[in-house]
Amino acid sequence: EPEVTQTPSHQVTQMGQEVILRCVPISNHLYFYWYRQILGQKVEFLVSFYNNEISEKSEIFDDQFSVERPDGSNFTLKIRSTKLEDSAMYFCASSRLRTGNYGYTFGSGTRLTVV
Amino acid sequence: GESVGLHLPTLSVQEGDNSIINCAYSNSASDYFIWYKQESGKGPQFIIDIRSNMDKRQGQRVTVLLNKTVKHLSLQIAATQPGDSAVYFCAELGNFGNEKLTFGTGTRLTIIP
Repeated sequence: EPEVTQTPSHQVTQMGQEVILRCVPISNHLYFYWYRQILGQKVEFLVSFYNNEISEKSEIFDDQFSVERPDGSNFTLKIRSTKLEDSAMYFCASSRLRTGNYGYTFGSGTRLTVV
Repeated sequence: GESVGLHLPTLSVQEGDNSIINCAYSNSASDYFIWYKQESGKGPQFIIDIRSNMDKRQGQRVTVLLNKTVKHLSLQIAATQPGDSAVYFCAELGNFGNEKLTFGTGTRLTIIP
C-alpha cells in the first residue's frame, strides 16, 4: 500500500535554528499538506499546497514557515527560526483529489523538539 | 467559529464488546466527515468517512452514524480487539473548496483484555 514517508522521525534543534522537515508524498497525489500536533492536543492544519503554490494556510503558518516542492517528489516544511512552542509532531499528508473524497494519507510524522 | 469536539476524552471497553465514540460539530455547513485512528507514534490513519447526504455508513467492524439535526456523529466499533486501542479523532472537511481538515480533540480508547 502506498505510503507518505517523512524524515527524520525525530529532530532536536536549538532555539533560533532553522529546520527542514522532509516528506515524500504518494506519487500520483496532487495535493499536499502539513499538519502539526502539540503533545496531547489535537491535530492542527498548517498549510495546503497544490500546483507549486500554497492554496490555503492557517494563522499558525506565519512568516517563519515556508513550504517547497523542490524536485517533484519531495515536499518540505521549513521553520526559519525555531521557538520552543514549535515543539510538536509534524505530519505531512497528501491526497489525490482536492476535497479529500478518498481521505488524506498521513505520514508517520516528525517529532520536533526545540531546546 | 468552526469547531469539532468530542464528548469523552477516554473510553475503556472490554475486549469483544462494542464501543461507541462520539463527536459533535458546530459548522452546519460541514459536508464531509472522517474518522481517524492514531496509534502511538504514528500518523492519523483513515478508518471511515461519511458525506452529509448520508445518515449511516458501514465498514468492516465499524459504523459511522451522522445526525445532522443535532450535529453529531459517532463511530461504532464492533467486537473490539486489543489492536483497536488508540486515539480516535473525528475530522470535518467544510464546504466544497475548503481543503483543510478540522480535527476534534480525540478520544483514547483502551481495550481491556
